[in-house]
Amino acid sequence: EAGVTQSPTHLIKTRGQQATLRCSPISGHTSVYWYQQALGLGLQFLLWYDEGEERNRGNFPPRFSGRQFPNYSSELNVNALELEDSALYLCASSHRGRVTGELFFGEGSRLTVL
Amino acid sequence: TQLLEQSPQFLSIQEGENLTVYCNSSSVFSSLQWYRQEPGEGPVLLVTVVTGGEVKKLKRLTFQFGDARKDSSLHITAAQPGDTGLYLCAGPLDGNQFYFGTGTSLTVIP
Repeated sequence: EAGVTQSPTHLIKTRGQQATLRCSPISGHTSVYWYQQALGLGLQFLLWYDEGEERNRGNFPPRFSGRQFPNYSSELNVNALELEDSALYLCASSHRGRVTGELFFGEGSRLTVL
Repeated sequence: TQLLEQSPQFLSIQEGENLTVYCNSSSVFSSLQWYRQEPGEGPVLLVTVVTGGEVKKLKRLTFQFGDARKDSSLHITAAQPGDTGLYLCAGPLDGNQFYFGTGTSLTVIP
């Protein structure tokens, strides 16, 4: 069974540009989470989608947005890029019906803003 | 304010030593997970603890969930260089909203 896949693996942009990151969850998983991880530190929660709807968002400005498609894949958009947006962006999926709840992560997309 | 606080933040030890990492919160969690993340990769699930007071062992790793389900610990016996990585605790609140701890970066020196 395929795991969570993310693309692109690496992305280099300049300040003011827009970046789009993509995520395909594990088959059967309806929830997708996006996290930002800077400098190998802890994960900062960005967005949570489930069944096509945004369920919650973290403490990030509105230029961070996304959506979830009918096939449960997801897209994260970052507009008006700033230098501090440089980070590893991790996508994770889970099966909402699981009582214990576990997240399964992709390898991440490394965004560098110059 | 971080919902899950981990300590220590950084840990550098010699191969063969034992160590314990702590994950604390003021909130009650239905379950807590521990993940390990290696450089350039996504976090990988190590274990899930569900019941207060539960102890789970995974080879040299021992995980414990606090009786009140507000804290957890990870103990590694005879650490090896392969244990090097970022250890993260996490748990769901508010209907599957996952919160992550601040992370513990472990380096095991050969």
